[in-house]
Amino acid sequence: SQQGEEDPQALSIQEGENATMNCSYKTSINNLQWYRQNSGRGLVHLILIRSNEREKHSGRLRVTLDTSKKSSSLLITASRAADTASYFCATGRIPTGANNLFFGTGTRLTVIP
Amino acid sequence: EADIYQTPRYLVIGTGKKITLECSQTMGHDKMYWYQQDPGMELHLIHYSYGVNSTEKGDLSSESTVSRIRTEHFPLTLESARPSHTSQYLCASSELNRPQETQYFGPGTRLLVL
Repeated sequence: SQQGEEDPQALSIQEGENATMNCSYKTSINNLQWYRQNSGRGLVHLILIRSNEREKHSGRLRVTLDTSKKSSSLLITASRAADTASYFCATGRIPTGANNLFFGTGTRLTVIP
Repeated sequence: EADIYQTPRYLVIGTGKKITLECSQTMGHDKMYWYQQDPGMELHLIHYSYGVNSTEKGDLSSESTVSRIRTEHFPLTLESARPSHTSQYLCASSELNRPQETQYFGPGTRLLVL
């Protein structure tokens, strides 16, 4: 993808374990966001981290950003079956141009009860 | 839950038919988007709009067209559907002055062209 890559493409874990997903991108960014998509549904915004931030928390979510490596990670702690979904990173690029977001390829997470 | 709606949710239609996918939002957002998402999951931006009477093509070429006559409404039309148009179509919106901030997505329309 020219927009961004999530890694791994798919991840299967047991309930209670932590899940880590990674996102790499190619251009300078203003911010990076993570979205969640349940099967057959639209995307839901989870968290936004700005380019001058290195780490951000929201509930069981922890996001890190390394702009020197052009990468981000999303950690979901103490996973639940309800966390089963696809997770996408999205970047707001510099220069902003049309100011659109660019979405990655997604990681499909399965949490086994 | 975001206040953005798409109809129909599912559509099965024959080749050559004209279809319109509806999208509406009640958040007063000026900027709206259409994405196409195939089973491989990657989202591709096919159209966006800055506001009334504004429409722009996205990164992925599409045979569909859009219109923006009212702020809350951003329909997508396929004049002659083909099997290659089979996909999921997602509509989204954001605040114009914060376009790289959160986008709010509708539930999607899953289209199958036979």
